[in-house]
Amino acid sequence: IAGITQAPTSQILAAGRRMTLRCTQDMRHNAMYWYRQDLGLGLRLIHYSNTAGTTGKGEVPDGYSVSRANTDDFPLTLASAVPSQTSVYFCASSEGTGGNEQFFGPGTRLTVL
Amino acid sequence: GQNIDQPTEMTATEGAIVQINCTYQTSGFNGLFWYQQHAGEAPTFLSYNVLDGLEEKGRFSSFLSRSKGYSYLLLKELQMKDSASYLCAVRDSNYQLIWGAGTKLIIKP
Repeated sequence: IAGITQAPTSQILAAGRRMTLRCTQDMRHNAMYWYRQDLGLGLRLIHYSNTAGTTGKGEVPDGYSVSRANTDDFPLTLASAVPSQTSVYFCASSEGTGGNEQFFGPGTRLTVL
Repeated sequence: GQNIDQPTEMTATEGAIVQINCTYQTSGFNGLFWYQQHAGEAPTFLSYNVLDGLEEKGRFSSFLSRSKGYSYLLLKELQMKDSASYLCAVRDSNYQLIWGAGTKLIIKP
């Protein structure tokens, strides 16, 4: 693994189903983030984690949950998917929270029908 | 509320210079970032400004005026591969990034 990876690359999901998007980084970064990107809107922060064992809510957390059991992994779960969660989801990481650039994974394109 | 404004789309000619502006109103300021995003790909880091002035990095430069809530990204000697969206983001008082919607830059031969 080099950098930050996400799985799956894309997914079509029926409304009401549960879905977990996976994110793994091998850079030993402390901070990790989940964003969604919708056409015409900027990236919006869903949840973040400043260090393993801690998580926080971003701008649009409703309908999503995260966990950070270790430094490398930061999965995002949709408990019961709805069509408004159709989006491109990006995971990102940074060495710290102050003044550090964020490195992004390749993204997961999710369609909820 | 927090707001980042940038033009939706700009067009420029190969070999020319283009300036992409960004204005912001945020709760606190802890730095401004510019990212490049090619269609269907992830954003990649271009520049970071935390103090007023110009930061130069090869063909790309970024300027910041904190008193005016203003930044610009300057791209020189444009190449076709520079066709992409350019995202402005401000780190707020909670150390979270607030993102603009991005400026789609179209380069014509």
